[in-house]
Amino acid sequence: LAKTTQPISMDSYEGQEVNITCSHNNIATNDYITWYQQFPSQGPRFIIQGYKTKVTNEVASLFIPADRKSSTLSLPRVSLSDTAVYYCLVDYQAGTALIFGKGTTLSVSS
Amino acid sequence: NAGVTQTPKFQVLKTGQSMTLQCAQDMNHEYMSWYRQDPGMGLRLIHYSVGAGITDQGEVPNGYNVSRSTTEDFPLRLLSAAPSQTSVYFCASSYSRRDEKLFFGSGTQLSVL
Repeated sequence: LAKTTQPISMDSYEGQEVNITCSHNNIATNDYITWYQQFPSQGPRFIIQGYKTKVTNEVASLFIPADRKSSTLSLPRVSLSDTAVYYCLVDYQAGTALIFGKGTTLSVSS
Repeated sequence: NAGVTQTPKFQVLKTGQSMTLQCAQDMNHEYMSWYRQDPGMGLRLIHYSVGAGITDQGEVPNGYNVSRSTTEDFPLRLLSAAPSQTSVYFCASSYSRRDEKLFFGSGTQLSVL
């Protein structure tokens, strides 16, 4: 079962916009894309989920192009508290297991 | 509403010992799963269950057993602990297999000496 591919790490400064891209070449028509955030010593927590085009909530935006082979999590005006690991998860309908990738470690500095 | 509760939070074992990591959820979720997290490896799926009485293997099932006798509980058993099983273990649940909004417990940090 294909996994997602994300950058291992990213650095940013407070107030900047951060975009984290996830590749999922084998995504099928009915597969959803979900992003999770994990702080040190905590379990991951749901951030945002999308199927196509753009989804926005109070925390982030998710952009999905027409071919759906990638998706981009956008965090506007990050703060120090956004320092965390971000995971992209694709629910591959052909399988029953939810497989995570290795995640992206985002470090925000002042 | 407690969500997903994992016990214990910390555990130290000697090689060859057995133990059970407990996981309970009070949200009436059908789907439950166990992940282990190691530095640089992300979250790797050990076992999962789509409902009471149904379990299946994930990516790294060797050395672990599970059972799902009730909707609420999904314990993970280490039959004979090995140093390679030193890790942080997370239990997660969701309403159904097709609801990817997983709720995670706070984790169990396990050290095998």
